Amino acid sequence: EAGVAQSPRYKIIEKRQSVAFWCNPISGHATLYWYQQILGQGPKLLIQFQNNGVVDDSQLPKDRFSAERLKGVDSTLKIQPAKLEDSAVYLCASSLVLSSSQETQYFGPGTRLLVL
Amino acid sequence: AQTVTQSQPEMSVQEAETVTLSCTYDTSESNYYLFWYKQPPSRQMILVIRQEAYKQQNATENRFSVNFQKAAKSFSLKISDSQLGDTAMYFCALGSAGNMLTFGGGTRLMVKP
Repeated sequence: EAGVAQSPRYKIIEKRQSVAFWCNPISGHATLYWYQQILGQGPKLLIQFQNNGVVDDSQLPKDRFSAERLKGVDSTLKIQPAKLEDSAVYLCASSLVLSSSQETQYFGPGTRLLVL
Repeated sequence: AQTVTQSQPEMSVQEAETVTLSCTYDTSESNYYLFWYKQPPSRQMILVIRQEAYKQQNATENRFSVNFQKAAKSFSLKISDSQLGDTAMYFCALGSAGNMLTFGGGTRLMVKP
């Protein structure tokens, strides 16, 4: 079974530029998550999708971050304009369903973003 | 709000020995789950072990086991017979209904030959 795929793996941009990350979840997984992991810290949830609907985006800085999952499969996360403090690893994860129990989340390799 | 605290930023252990990583948490939920994830230098996060809060029996997965103390809100991970491949960042995470995970700050574990 293929895992969660993410691209690009690395990205370097200058502040005020825009950037987009792509995620393809495990086949059949309805729930998709984007996390931000700043160096030396644990991942922080940015947004959670169930199929193509947003379940939780309370920690997404909506003035500069946006995410979509139009067909309920792939997802993109965009930052515009980027700030220095956005330098981090952006992790995508997926799980089978959104339920009252806790489904295991499977993580992708992440995209390492450096903003200069 | 949920919080997860890992008080040991770094730990080291000799190969073949046993090490315990600590985690404390706080939540107002009655139905929740606890996880340990491993993140090797390649950065792919891998699930090590999970524990349902309603289960009294501690979870075990081969060399990995947990000590779940619900009243104390403590969830430690024990790694027996440590191997070089266990070198990684270890994250404790708390999840509740709706699948939201809250992660601790991580513990960097180094297994020495």
